Amino acid sequence: GDSVTQMEGPVTLSEEAFLTINCTYTATGYPSLFWYVQYPGEGLQLLLKATKADDKGSNKGFEATYRKETTSFHLEKGSVQVSDSAVYFCALTPTGANSKLTFGKGITLSVRP
Amino acid sequence: GAGVSQSPRYKVAKRGQDVALRCDPISGHVSLFWYQQALGQGPEFLTYFQNEAQLDKSGLPSDRFFAERPEGSVSTLKIQRTQQEDSAVYLCASSLGTTRQETQYFGPGTRLLVL
Repeated sequence: GDSVTQMEGPVTLSEEAFLTINCTYTATGYPSLFWYVQYPGEGLQLLLKATKADDKGSNKGFEATYRKETTSFHLEKGSVQVSDSAVYFCALTPTGANSKLTFGKGITLSVRP
Repeated sequence: GAGVSQSPRYKVAKRGQDVALRCDPISGHVSLFWYQQALGQGPEFLTYFQNEAQLDKSGLPSDRFFAERPEGSVSTLKIQRTQQEDSAVYLCASSLGTTRQETQYFGPGTRLLVL
């Protein structure tokens, strides 16, 4: 079945550091790919998405590119801020009519001043 | 505008009790999803409604779990004879349409603890 694998966490960075969070997936065809974020005390919210190969999703300085050849959707940000501290989830919806999300385990990011 | 709301936010139940969890989706959203999130894990799909029709219930872990959306808006997830392994956060999400590219908007969740 479909699955999403995220790198092990947690991750702790200093402010203004470069961030990469790895995400790879297993799915047939061309799934849609998402990054969701959960800030402390808040609900899950969409950060960015890409719906076809080579698409780049971007939002709030974060970017991720849909790489079909490596089945990856790594999240990057050039300069993190303390306010980026949160739990980040990579997810997919499969090819076809099914629109249910399959999530990775999530990774906790802490950014220190 | 109003987002997805869920109630109660917290529920403590004794093993064997029945519980009912409510979800109010964003007005006009056709699709509604329920997910279960165990501690330290990502959410896992439970069931999906398109308007009032339950099109996918493949993620419901047992026949103790039942969901409905009778008028195509508010949904209720019911768990009968709760067990300790049912302790989790239950998330509801809605989306405007039905395609797989749609953004799902999540509620704050109901944290269920079964003692």
